[in-house]
Amino acid sequence: GNSVTQMEGPVTLSEEAFLTINCTYTATGYPSLFWYVQYPGEGLQLLLKATKADDKGSNKGFEATYRKETTSFHLEKGSVQVSDSAVYFCALTLGRSYGGSQGNLIFGKGTKLSVKP
Amino acid sequence: DAGVIQSPRHEVTEMGQEVTLRCKPISGHDYLFWYRQTMMRGLELLIYFNNNVPIDDSGMPEDRFSAKMPNASFSTLKIQPSEPRDSAVYFCASSWGGISGNTIYFGEGSWLTVV
Repeated sequence: GNSVTQMEGPVTLSEEAFLTINCTYTATGYPSLFWYVQYPGEGLQLLLKATKADDKGSNKGFEATYRKETTSFHLEKGSVQVSDSAVYFCALTLGRSYGGSQGNLIFGKGTKLSVKP
Repeated sequence: DAGVIQSPRHEVTEMGQEVTLRCKPISGHDYLFWYRQTMMRGLELLIYFNNNVPIDDSGMPEDRFSAKMPNASFSTLKIQPSEPRDSAVYFCASSWGGISGNTIYFGEGSWLTVV
């Protein structure tokens, strides 16, 4: 079936460290890929997205590249800040022609990031 | 601009009681989604509406769960009777034009505890 697998957390880093959160997916056809972020006590916010192979999504210093050959969409940031502490979710959605619907975002389990000053 | 507004933010109820969660989507959005988040199962889509019409309710766990959208600015998710395993965070979200190429906006969630 269609699924998203993320590296298990928690991930603890010092401020200004390099961040990588791994995400791989299994999907029929050509999914769109997303990273969402959830700050403590809040809902999810879209961080970035990519809709086709080799696309790079970027926002707030974060970036992720849609790699079809490795079915991956790893999240990276060159220098994390304390304010980046949150839970990060990788997600995908399928196009309608591959049995997807306009509502079905399939999420990974989330990776908690803690950044220490 | 106001985002997606959910109420209540927190609810503690006894097993067997009816629970009603409420959502006001962002004005102008034509899609509304209900998600549930638990430690064990992560984030799951329960149901979504397009133009107030339920499109896919295959994620609704059982008949104890029901959702309605009487108009474009209001939706409810009802659990009757509630059980301890329903304890979770329930998110409402909305978007314009679905999620395939568009941003979906989440509310802050309703944190439900059934004792």
